Amino acid sequence: QSALTQPASVSGSPGQSITISCTGTSTDVGGYNYVSWYQQHPGKAPKLMIYDVSNRPSGVSNRFSGSKSGNTASLTISGLQPEDEADYYCSSYTSSGTYVFGTGTKVTVL
Amino acid sequence: EVQLVESGGGVVQPGGSLRLSCAASGFTFSSSWMNWVRQAPGKGLEWVANIKQDGSEKHYVDSVEGRFTISRDNAKNSLYLQMDSLRAEDTAVYHCATGSLDYWGQGTLVTVSS
Repeated sequence: QSALTQPASVSGSPGQSITISCTGTSTDVGGYNYVSWYQQHPGKAPKLMIYDVSNRPSGVSNRFSGSKSGNTASLTISGLQPEDEADYYCSSYTSSGTYVFGTGTKVTVL
Repeated sequence: EVQLVESGGGVVQPGGSLRLSCAASGFTFSSSWMNWVRQAPGKGLEWVANIKQDGSEKHYVDSVEGRFTISRDNAKNSLYLQMDSLRAEDTAVYHCATGSLDYWGQGTLVTVSS
């Protein structure tokens, strides 16, 4: 039950695009299309941004998109805005019937 | 509107016990797997446990196996987490979340300290 691997930090200027990676194994990310992404502002509960690899819940900006290749999933934020500055976590369903989260990525808008 | 409201957190000594509750509304609770997720102060998210709709299947993260017990009462639309033999490293905000981790409660803080 090792955490999925994410970069500790990613930064970009307003209007730019950034991509956050989430690397797992064939028993989690690579084995299922059940990867989700969460945004968390300080002191707040996580907010679902992407589910099932690439689907956006109602109300989430289309600037957020998800994809997956092999054992690595990715979240792309295009047209970066100041309010996008937050911590981001990926999660995946696993072959054990459990879930595992990523190590988390701090996004900084320069 | 889906609502999940956790309660039962507090300060407990190492080795002690605590029972968390989660009141659910706005969706068909009895048709949904449910989860507990925690976040230690300044740390990342950690999935803790989940339970099937009828309670017949449960899974736990290794670090709490044998110490924590997840349960539910579908008649009361409620989810529970019984936490025994608590350790300092169990200190965290505990969130309940729906089956696919799509809806979350605001969480309840558990502090294990002497």
